[in-house]
Amino acid sequence: AQSVAQPEDQVNVAEGNPLTVKCTYSVSGNPYLFWYVQYPNRGLQFLLKYITGDNLVKGSYGFEAEFNKSQTSFHLKKPSALVSDSALYFCAVREAVDSNYQLIWGAGTKLIIKP
Amino acid sequence: DTGVSQNPRHKITKRGQNVTFRCDPISEHNRLYWYRQTLGQGPEFLTYFQNEAQLEKSRLLSDRFSAERPKGSFSTLEIQRTEQGDSAMYLCASSGQGPNTGELFFGEGSRLTVL
Repeated sequence: AQSVAQPEDQVNVAEGNPLTVKCTYSVSGNPYLFWYVQYPNRGLQFLLKYITGDNLVKGSYGFEAEFNKSQTSFHLKKPSALVSDSALYFCAVREAVDSNYQLIWGAGTKLIIKP
Repeated sequence: DTGVSQNPRHKITKRGQNVTFRCDPISEHNRLYWYRQTLGQGPEFLTYFQNEAQLEKSRLLSDRFSAERPKGSFSTLEIQRTEQGDSAMYLCASSGQGPNTGELFFGEGSRLTVL
């Protein structure tokens, strides 16, 4: 069965420090992987995706993520955190051959950036 | 604004009443999704449409829930005989076709409170 795990409910980082939000996945075939961000009382916004090619993908707001097939991980990273990065982050996966394009979602990780 | 639009943004109703939410997707997108999200959880898939056809509906979805997408444009989600457990944020998302369009564009959501 397909699944996504975000092992940390909350991540605390000081402003200016690097941040990592972890995500591991399980699919039977090749994965398409996504990160979304949700600010309070708002809908989800797409950050970045991995479809194929370079394992390091860059997205919005200076975020990047590294696809690691052997570890089935897709961790979200940013070299220098901003207070405005504080939000809820969701990892999602779907199988490349899934014609319904359904995403399987993680439970989310709350990122808190302290000044 | 050419994003996904949802109305109403907030709805408070009494148990047993019917409610209807509307979603206007991005105009060139032919796929439309409904999700439900409760506090601290990731989005839970409810149903999705390709054009006017409802192609999949979650097995977890009660018969009290029904969705339509007449003419393949806007969509409505109706909940009949609401229960307190229906209280949640209802999210609509749209996307285009093609192998790289697992990327979803979300609306701001419609928050339902059932008293």
